[in-house]
Amino acid sequence: EAQVTQNPRYLITVTGKKLTVTCSQNMNHEYMSWYRQDPGLGLRQIYYSMNVEVTDKGDVPEGYKVSRKEKRNFPLILESPSPNQTSLYFCASSSAPDRRIFRYSNQPQHFGDGTRLSIL
Amino acid sequence: AQSVTQPDIHITVSEGASLELRCNYSYGATPYLFWYVQSPGQGLQLLLKYFSGDTLVQGIKGFEAEFKRSQSSFNLRKPSVHWSDAAEYFCAVRSGNTGKLIFGQGTTLQVKP
Repeated sequence: EAQVTQNPRYLITVTGKKLTVTCSQNMNHEYMSWYRQDPGLGLRQIYYSMNVEVTDKGDVPEGYKVSRKEKRNFPLILESPSPNQTSLYFCASSSAPDRRIFRYSNQPQHFGDGTRLSIL
Repeated sequence: AQSVTQPDIHITVSEGASLELRCNYSYGATPYLFWYVQSPGQGLQLLLKYFSGDTLVQGIKGFEAEFKRSQSSFNLRKPSVHWSDAAEYFCAVRSGNTGKLIFGQGTTLQVKP
């Protein structure tokens, strides 16, 4: 079954204690992305990766790191979490851009079930 | 700037009634538009998408959406709502360059029995 798997699903931790949220997809997708969801703001992109070893900042990257050493995995790292990073996080993946026009077009992004982080 | 607006934060409809959720976008190029649904405790499921061609697109679960370029809108519709449709709905446009999905704020749908 095609899926995006995030772990953990829930985490309560304290300020400053490093944590990693893992994301893995089994669809051989090149593109992967992290979003955070906050009430009234919808989802906002944190980081994205167009392929292995290629990552770039999204709209709200401060306080986060990512890595893409393998195609299937895209972990989100919070080196020193703070309370304002309490949120619901989603990992997503999609296939590569249309090679003819080199643009992401109609490929939908497939989402994981989310990770709810609470930073105390 | 690219943006998506869902004017209705919360909508309540009776079961069996018709539904329309509004979405307006601001995007410089040809928009690639999506509607996702999020049930409580779940991830986002794709309902339908539009990128070209017929402006009325059909999706899963009996949903459809109509793209109107002149109004910069991509409203989601369903003729008869079921109690299981209660969820949060997100409209999004995808950036052709970065692949980023730009989401609206979401509309929460409540269904009355």
